[in-house]
Amino acid sequence: DVQMTQSPSTLSASVGDRVTITCRASQSISFWLAWYQQKPGKAPKLLIYKASRLQSDVPPRFSGSGSGTEFTLTISSLQPEDFATYYCQQYNSYWYTFGQGTKLQIK
Amino acid sequence: QVQLVESGGGVVQPGRSLRLSCAASGFTFSSHGMHWVRQAPGKGLEWVALIWYDGNKEYYADSVKGRFTISRDNSENTLYLQINSLRAEDTAFYYCARDSGITGTTGEFDYWGQGTLVTVSS
Repeated sequence: DVQMTQSPSTLSASVGDRVTITCRASQSISFWLAWYQQKPGKAPKLLIYKASRLQSDVPPRFSGSGSGTEFTLTISSLQPEDFATYYCQQYNSYWYTFGQGTKLQIK
Repeated sequence: QVQLVESGGGVVQPGRSLRLSCAASGFTFSSHGMHWVRQAPGKGLEWVALIWYDGNKEYYADSVKGRFTISRDNSENTLYLQINSLRAEDTAFYYCARDSGITGTTGEFDYWGQGTLVTVSS
């Protein structure tokens, strides 16, 4: 299975900050990567697919980049509603795997 | 609007069985592959199983293969997960999720249910 490793595990930031979360795959997954946001007690929400494509209704302050084994999720200007946990997920093969998550918390 | 509503969770003794359901509405259920994803309390996400839009193929995580069975009834717009020989490590919220592909599978989970909690305990 492809292992996904996110960094950092926890990130403290302030409203208005630009933040970046990194996701690394144990082998090349081309651009078959998605990002999800999960708030406490809620289901995950798809933000980005195919590494850089923004899901409909997701604000443009979210962006994704990367290919192969290294990917990033960037939030250009943090809003209060963005404090949540973020997961990357690879879908290069049918045995889908997620990163361990990055908790974005208020500084 | 797309809605996915899971049910069937609860407290179950180790070794017993359980069947989870996911009622779908607001889209053409028979055109989309469907997934189950689970999350142990306070932990990360783990993909569990996928069934193709027509039910002709199934895929499972190694951790559940042989004990879990995913199925669907397209006439009832319902997805199922049969869980046998339950173990303590199966304790988790179980989410059903729609694959974004139409009559094909992308691996992107574009809609999720609210989850149902399965607790395995004696």
